[in-house]
Amino acid sequence: GENVEQHPSTLSVQEGDSAVIKCTYSDSASNYFPWYKQELGKRPQLIIDIRSNVGEKKDQRIAVTLNKTAKHFSLHITETQPEDSAVYFCAAGYFGNEKLTFGTGTRLTIIP
Amino acid sequence: DTAVSQTPKYLVTQMGNDKSIKCEQNLGHDTMYWYKQDSKKFLKIMFSYNNKELIINETVPNRFSPKSPDKAHLNLHINSLELGDSAVYFCASSPPTMSGNTIYFGEGSWLTVV
Repeated sequence: GENVEQHPSTLSVQEGDSAVIKCTYSDSASNYFPWYKQELGKRPQLIIDIRSNVGEKKDQRIAVTLNKTAKHFSLHITETQPEDSAVYFCAAGYFGNEKLTFGTGTRLTIIP
Repeated sequence: DTAVSQTPKYLVTQMGNDKSIKCEQNLGHDTMYWYKQDSKKFLKIMFSYNNKELIINETVPNRFSPKSPDKAHLNLHINSLELGDSAVYFCASSPPTMSGNTIYFGEGSWLTVV
């Protein structure tokens, strides 16, 4: 089955700086890679996703890049703000299939 | 409000008891899930149902039994609760597969076994 590794497990950045979270996956057939954000005590919510037919996707301050050859994908947050503090999960699966395998999460702390 | 709703939000119970968590979604989705999030925040799928039929059953002890009376409901019953069952249990749903994979989570049920 799919195995997703996520690094780092914790990340602290100064407000205004950029944050990068990286994930690797094992199943070369995976073609869908979402990122979820979970604020303290809240539910995980999708913030951005990418399919394997593109290498990069951007939504305002958030971008995701995908390297299919190396089987890794990354979340980039620019101009970080205090409200970006949360746990971020990457996931991998097949588009249109029910099963997603989640990474182990990264706790991002933005230092004011 | 359109949402995935689950009850109860908090549950404290003794070892050996049997408890249920209920989940309902009014998003019109075909697929529903149960996820477990442990104290280290690892998020693991337990079960997935598509239109009342079991699709995914990860290696979960058979003390956990999901029940889907209709495609809008997926309840989780847990028998003989153990300390290690303490976790947050998230119900979730997703739209028809051709529409994508976005998973919509409920607010979670915090289960503490003492």
